[in-house]
Amino acid sequence: DAKTTQPTSMDCAEGRAANLPCNHSTISGNEYVYWYRQIHSQGPQYIIHGLKNNETNEMASLIITEDRKSSTLILPHATLRDTAVYYCIVRVNSGGSNYKLTFGKGTLLTVNP
Amino acid sequence: KAGVTQTPRYLIKTRGQQVTLSCSPISGHRSVSWYQQTPGQGLQFLFEYFSETQRNKGNFPGRFSGRQFSNSRSEMNVSTLELGDSALYLCASSLDWGLEQFFGPGTRLTVL
Repeated sequence: DAKTTQPTSMDCAEGRAANLPCNHSTISGNEYVYWYRQIHSQGPQYIIHGLKNNETNEMASLIITEDRKSSTLILPHATLRDTAVYYCIVRVNSGGSNYKLTFGKGTLLTVNP
Repeated sequence: KAGVTQTPRYLIKTRGQQVTLSCSPISGHRSVSWYQQTPGQGLQFLFEYFSETQRNKGNFPGRFSGRQFSNSRSEMNVSTLELGDSALYLCASSLDWGLEQFFGPGTRLTVL
């Protein structure tokens, strides 16, 4: 799986958009970008994933650059409950043996009142 | 639909003992993965089971083992516990290939 680079920490004001960047310059053509988050003392929670196109769901939006070397997770209206460590992961999504998620250090997002 | 459940939630053992942790996946999910999380190493993949077979394995010693039952429930076992095995052990389930994984709350193991 390709390696990812994320900032160690970020702050965001409550109610504002939180934009979390991720660099994955060595991503392969068949690797997807996944985002998970982990709130303190809980198991990681799936947020969203994408291959090439931008994706949106009820939790967040994922913007992937055209060259796929970087992406941004957007939480449109951050709340205090969004304070968590956010992990950006790239992985192959089809057969074979690539089922594991390789977690890096992630970004600690702190949403401030 | 009930989420992934793990038992026990907390466990204290002493060095040299063995421990068995249990994971019940979301109904219908056939893939179960196990991860170890420590402050120093972060989240690390242990192994993954699908239809009672281990399909993938991470870089952990043979003291770490697992199995999956016909109802997809999974157990992991750690023998001859070491202090460094103190960690949060997380189980995740998914339907199949490369689909999003749903994590349980974890079992906090403390080795004294």
